[in-house]
Amino acid sequence: DAKTTQPPSMDCAEGRAANLPCNHSTISGNEYVYWYRQIHSQGPQYIIHGLKNNETNEMASLIITEDRKSSTLILPHATLRDTAVYYCIVSGGSYIPTFGRGTSLIVHP
Amino acid sequence: EPEVTQTPSHQVTQMGQEVILRCVPISNHLYFYWYRQILGQKVEFLVSFYNNEISEKSEIFDDQFSVERPDGSNFTLKIRSTKLEDSAMYFCASISFSYNSPLHFGNGTRLTVT
Repeated sequence: DAKTTQPPSMDCAEGRAANLPCNHSTISGNEYVYWYRQIHSQGPQYIIHGLKNNETNEMASLIITEDRKSSTLILPHATLRDTAVYYCIVSGGSYIPTFGRGTSLIVHP
Repeated sequence: EPEVTQTPSHQVTQMGQEVILRCVPISNHLYFYWYRQILGQKVEFLVSFYNNEISEKSEIFDDQFSVERPDGSNFTLKIRSTKLEDSAMYFCASISFSYNSPLHFGNGTRLTVT
């Protein structure tokens, strides 16, 4: 079973920031937090990952709380093409990423 | 940017037939995976493969399934005798050797068993 909890759905206005939360209260010290998204039925697409520091790349920012029990994925200026299911995954060690239901993000005009 | 490629994009087969789904992982990657997603359901892990052998497999990956890396580039999933319930999207993924490397997925093969 997935080790994370995400809201089933969210919506966001185009051009605004989308903040997607994830709880991972049982995360271990060597486990990373990964975010992927899946647009329609395409293959999941890697977005970003981190261990304990905040991370930023060209797609998004990842904010991890100090206790590492939760994180937030931030899409700074959401577009219609960001409409997708977003998965937060905790993994390390044997590295068999397990997907939950994710958050279905709808970006509306 | 290098990507994982899967063929065919759509495969239709009759129940009981054998199918082979093909994947070309990213060239310098060392770990390979198959996942599947039944319509409307979660992405489920099937099997991981490293150093020419299965590393881990799920309960779904029974004797009807097998994987192979026949040469230096291809990674295949074979279903010996397909069932209706095997209809799903099948995704191949790979990662490099780094401990925390993310998965890179292909765009999948839609398998329809009739």
